[in-house]
Amino acid sequence: SQQGEEDPQALSIQEGENATMNCSYKTSINNLQWYRQNSGRGLVHLILIRSNEREKHSGRLRVTLDTSKKSSSLLITASRAADTASYFCATVRTGANNLFFGTGTRLTVIP
Amino acid sequence: GAVVSQHPSRVICKSGTSVKIECRSLDFQATTMFWYRQFPKKSLMLMATSNEGSKATYEQGVEKDKFLINHASLTLSTLTVTSAHPEDSSFYICSAGARERGTDTQYFGPGTRLTVL
Repeated sequence: SQQGEEDPQALSIQEGENATMNCSYKTSINNLQWYRQNSGRGLVHLILIRSNEREKHSGRLRVTLDTSKKSSSLLITASRAADTASYFCATVRTGANNLFFGTGTRLTVIP
Repeated sequence: GAVVSQHPSRVICKSGTSVKIECRSLDFQATTMFWYRQFPKKSLMLMATSNEGSKATYEQGVEKDKFLINHASLTLSTLTVTSAHPEDSSFYICSAGARERGTDTQYFGPGTRLTVL
């Protein structure tokens, strides 16, 4: 079953702008991960943040985690047309090793 | 990063036939493999978790006799959709957890698009 909800469902921005996507979940987690999926393709792992971490950076990506609010955000800075894709958060629940995916955000970056 | 392949990438079959999808970890040993199903513009739904050499654990609502999973080796898991029907048409994605890398990160295959006529 799906674990989380993401918002917005769709986001359209101009190239160069920042894109922020949010994810909320329901249960206690071990870690939260963000994935990217180009249309009709497999998933690419972007970043993992553990439950005891609050913020993590990887290149143009910045992820935050607030376990008290059970929410996470993914920020993509200086967006590029090639960032156009669907982005999913996924959680690993405490004591488990499988992923539960959020509903996803479809990001469109307009050149 | 770790590489996971799936075969075939696309398959079209007639209603009532069975279809086998292979998932291989190419450069690492996968103690655990996961099978997901994704409907158009929707999220991934976990179908089952398979551990090498043991029976798969299916998620609630997933028919184990309909979706047969075999994880015969540390590099190969197969999903067989038996007696396929049009409602089984979907995008099926596998992922693998890498033993030596820990299981926190899953490496995903490119997916298999199944169309049942």
